[in-house]
Amino acid sequence: AQSVTQLGSHVSVSEGALVLLRCNYSSSVPPYLFWYVQYPNQGLQLLLKYTTGATLVKGINGFEAEFKKSETSFHLTKPSAHMSDAAEYFCAVSGTMNTGFQKLVFGTGTRLLVSP
Amino acid sequence: GAGVSQTPSNKVTEKGKYVELRCDPISGHTALYWYRQSLGQGPEFLIYFQGTGAADDSGLPNDRFFAVRPEGSVSTLKIQRTERGDSAVYLCASSLYGDSTDTQYFGPGTRLTVL
Repeated sequence: AQSVTQLGSHVSVSEGALVLLRCNYSSSVPPYLFWYVQYPNQGLQLLLKYTTGATLVKGINGFEAEFKKSETSFHLTKPSAHMSDAAEYFCAVSGTMNTGFQKLVFGTGTRLLVSP
Repeated sequence: GAGVSQTPSNKVTEKGKYVELRCDPISGHTALYWYRQSLGQGPEFLIYFQGTGAADDSGLPNDRFFAVRPEGSVSTLKIQRTERGDSAVYLCASSLYGDSTDTQYFGPGTRLTVL
């Protein structure tokens, strides 16, 4: 079984400050890891994903995440927050050994609030 | 090109009624997924289609839920004898092949409210 824990249902930062959204996963098979962003009344949009290879993954809008197997973590960061980054962020895990397809298991989400 | 679309955007129904939710995936995508997102939660997997067949329906909560994709494109999620606990946002996603490294593209969802 796989699961994802996102610490902090809400994270508040000032514009220009570092963004750090935490994600820890549990997986009995090598995981594939994803970060999605959800803006109000819109569908989830993929920010970035880790499948294999380089553990530091760069995504859209200046976000990046690092896969740390020893810590079972995949935290999302951005050096400088913009007002437009305010949204809900979801971490997800998938493994293919048992299913053969991308069966995503999502965390409960973290709402990022950005103040001027 | 057009993204994933879902209709209706909002659906209000009464307990015990039957509802159908429609998903139009991105043209050419063979894989289609349904998820359910309850308030304050992340999306939960319901069912996965590869082409016309339901390859994995292990997430459907009970036999009141059923989904079809008869021509390998549009999909309909059907809920019989709706209950108040079915109230949620139902999300549809599609991907090109469905394999492990694909990107799933999500629609805006259908908000179902059961009174």
